[in-house]
Amino acid sequence: SQQGEEDPQALSIQEGENATMNCSYKTSINNLQWYRQNSGRGLVHLILIRSNEREKHSGRLRVTLDTSKKSSSLLITASRAADTASYFCATDALHNNNDMRFGAGTRLTVKP
Amino acid sequence: DGGITQSPKYLFRKEGQNVTLSCEQNLNHDAMYWYRQDPGQGLRLIYYSQIVNDFQKGDIAEGYSVSREKKESFPLTVTSAQKNPTAFYLCASSIFGGSLYNEQFFGPGTRLTVL
Repeated sequence: SQQGEEDPQALSIQEGENATMNCSYKTSINNLQWYRQNSGRGLVHLILIRSNEREKHSGRLRVTLDTSKKSSSLLITASRAADTASYFCATDALHNNNDMRFGAGTRLTVKP
Repeated sequence: DGGITQSPKYLFRKEGQNVTLSCEQNLNHDAMYWYRQDPGQGLRLIYYSQIVNDFQKGDIAEGYSVSREKKESFPLTVTSAQKNPTAFYLCASSIFGGSLYNEQFFGPGTRLTVL
């Protein structure tokens, strides 16, 4: 069964606005990762946050992790049309960090 | 030029036929994975392998088989027992060895269509 669940399923914003996507998971983890997928392509790793970290930044990306609520958020600031893609969170299993599960994703559309 | 490759990009199969999807990586990664993605859905894990000659079933292994005879290669066979094989198949690899290093690198995918 899938571990992570993203919310919302779809998000449409104007260029320049911020986009926030959320991920909830069910069991304890070592790490949580966010990936991006352009239509019909493979996934590209964006950022990894460890279970003992609360916030991480990478360029226009900001990820938070709340292990008490078993949730994470991905914020993309000053969005661009090129950010249009699906975004997935992935969590590993506490007993096996190579056993990863992906959520169904959030489909982000950034209108120019 | 390091990376992970999948072939073919598009594959058509008649019902009742087995078909093998190729996945090769030259990243010297220990772990490799196969996922299935259906339209508008997330990824579901089929099989993964942490080391050569060893692999574990994921959530939807029925109707699929894999082998890991070489570190660089992890082919997936979709058998006739898989009732609904039309999907997008993604292969990935990662360094094995600790929770700091399990970022996965993905291939471009193979789109399988059963006619």
